[in-house]
Amino acid sequence: AQKVTQAQTEISVVEKEDVTLDCVYETRDTTYYLFWYKQPPSGELVFLIRRNSFDEQNEISGRYSWNFQKSTSSFNFTITASQVVDSAVYFCALNAGGTSYGKLTFGQGTILTVHP
Amino acid sequence: NAGVMQNPRHLVRRRGQEARLRCSPMKGHSHVYWYRQLPEEGLKFMVYLQKENIIDESGMPKERFSAEFPKEGPSILRIQQVVRGDSAAYFCASSLHSYEQYFGPGTRLTVT
Repeated sequence: AQKVTQAQTEISVVEKEDVTLDCVYETRDTTYYLFWYKQPPSGELVFLIRRNSFDEQNEISGRYSWNFQKSTSSFNFTITASQVVDSAVYFCALNAGGTSYGKLTFGQGTILTVHP
Repeated sequence: NAGVMQNPRHLVRRRGQEARLRCSPMKGHSHVYWYRQLPEEGLKFMVYLQKENIIDESGMPKERFSAEFPKEGPSILRIQQVVRGDSAAYFCASSLHSYEQYFGPGTRLTVT
């Protein structure tokens, strides 16, 4: 069975602070994909990043960075110098092979509020 | 290239009525997925379809819910005899390959 845990339900920071959103996953499959999605107050889901299980290189995109560590089954997301526009719900998700092929398993989400 | 389209964006139904939610995948995408987001919760997988086939419906409630993705036209998620507990946001996603899904804006269903 697949499982994604986002232990932080809510995080509140002040603008320009750095913030890290944690994601821990469980799967028995050796081939899988990890994702982060952003859901702003308007409600749509915005794709942020995909990583596959064979690529543990960390990635940076502007103020966003991701730290993938298979040894701890974690795929954490850091926003540097946060801005009010970063306020949203962030979801980590897992897509694994086998009988779960095609299905995304989402974490419960982390509500990020960035105060001016 | 237009994104995933869902309509209606908002749907209000009385208890006992039927709800039909439509999803048009991105051009060229043959995989469609439906997810449900209950209030204050994460997204839960419902069903995975390819053209004219249901591949995985392990997340679909056993009764009242059905989904199809015909050869022509959008994918339809149908909820018969809606109850208040069906009130949620329903998201459709499509993909070219099954490991990268692009989401539509969602349909917010309210059952009164």
